Amino acid sequence: KQEVTQIPAALSVPEGENLVLNCSFTDSAIYNLQWFRQDPGKGLTSLLLIQSSQREQTSGRLNASLDKSSGRSTLYIAASQPGDSATYLCAVNFLGDYKLSFGAGTTVTVRA
Amino acid sequence: EAGVVQSPRYKIIEKKQPVAFWCNPISGHNTLYWYRQNLGQGPELLIRYENEEAVDDSQLPKDRFSAERLKGVDSTLKIQPAELGDSAVYLCASSLDGGTSTDTQYFGPGTRLTVL
Repeated sequence: KQEVTQIPAALSVPEGENLVLNCSFTDSAIYNLQWFRQDPGKGLTSLLLIQSSQREQTSGRLNASLDKSSGRSTLYIAASQPGDSATYLCAVNFLGDYKLSFGAGTTVTVRA
Repeated sequence: EAGVVQSPRYKIIEKKQPVAFWCNPISGHNTLYWYRQNLGQGPELLIRYENEEAVDDSQLPKDRFSAERLKGVDSTLKIQPAELGDSAVYLCASSLDGGTSTDTQYFGPGTRLTVL
């Protein structure tokens, strides 16, 4: 079974510290991998999409890396702010699946 | 540009009652998805449409769930009868062309269902 795992389930850091969020998946045959942000009671907001052929994507303070061979992706958020507090979800589009398989998410709290 | 619209945002019903959720995808998006998200978990796909055709409904509990996407635009997801275990957030998403490596899914705000 193709699975996506995110560890830790929760993370608390002081403002200004860099955030490192981890995602692992069981099959290296993927179309792409997406990172989403979810605020309480809200839907999902797409942050970054990394295609299978890419190693990383960057948007502002966010950088996501992809290592298919080891089945891992990492989301880096530089200089965290209280507004970054949310749940971050990793989702993988496995080849032949045409759907996103999600991890359970990492809930981040940035302390002012 | 308007995002994915869902209604209602919240619904509370008693078990055995029917319930329906509505989704309007982003204009021009051919692919529409319904996901269910249980508390503390990531969303799980229920059904995927390419235009008006349901191309993946393998995870849809067909004894009580049904869905339709008339004219390949709006979609409705129905549960009849609802059970306690159906309490969850139901998310609708759309994308331009599912199955490509650059395809990004855009999500609506979801409908939070509580079954009493």
